[in-house]
Amino acid sequence: QSILTQPPSVSGVPGQTVTIACTGTSSTLGPHSDVHWYQQLPGAAPRLLIYANRNRPSGVPNRFSGSKSGTSASLVISGLQADDEAVYYCQSYDSRVFVVFGGGTKLTV
Amino acid sequence: EVQLVESGGDLVEPGGSLKLSCEASGFTFSRYGMAWVRQAPGKGLQWVASISSEGTYIYFSPSMEGRFIISRDNSRNSVYLQIHSLRVDDTAMYFCTRDILQTSEVDWSPYNWFEPWGLGTHVIVSS
Repeated sequence: QSILTQPPSVSGVPGQTVTIACTGTSSTLGPHSDVHWYQQLPGAAPRLLIYANRNRPSGVPNRFSGSKSGTSASLVISGLQADDEAVYYCQSYDSRVFVVFGGGTKLTV
Repeated sequence: EVQLVESGGDLVEPGGSLKLSCEASGFTFSRYGMAWVRQAPGKGLQWVASISSEGTYIYFSPSMEGRFIISRDNSRNSVYLQIHSLRVDDTAMYFCTRDILQTSEVDWSPYNWFEPWGLGTHVIVSS
């Protein structure tokens, strides 16, 4: 069981907005811990989607946005498209484990 | 183009050893920390280990410590992961990835995020 908790699955229809939550504890998503998000398309390597809570690397569409509040973070995907279908992982830190990933959320479009 | 290419994955018997390699290109390898992340079949991502840009500092996931060795050779633009006493539950795709930020050796910490990622190398442990 991951220290960062994500829902196993979410679904939406094209054009819709979906939100994926990532819940931690004070030691994993505390006030000084950033959260990052990755997208893993079927059969592919992960790709960085959001870093430091809300920043998008170049090339990531602005349909993807992130936020963090307290010990929870969210990834919001607006204008859902069929090729957004993937598994999404949050990542943060823990004083004992150092780097931690959430269990992943499978998005079905 | 920034690229990471893993190799060395294989089918091995329980108790065996393996050395995975990751060759980098397209960036100044010696300026970046590197990491290995694995993914068991049908499962999520699991961080294995990170190494600083010059190899001075190494951190492992507590569940990996003891059987895993991470190292790097900056003259070969490569990072390595040795796994000893392989177990069936080590079966996974092993990804090599890079810290997104350049950090001096003295300022480096394992608290990073990662991009890019290699395509992975497959390790299967079975008798």
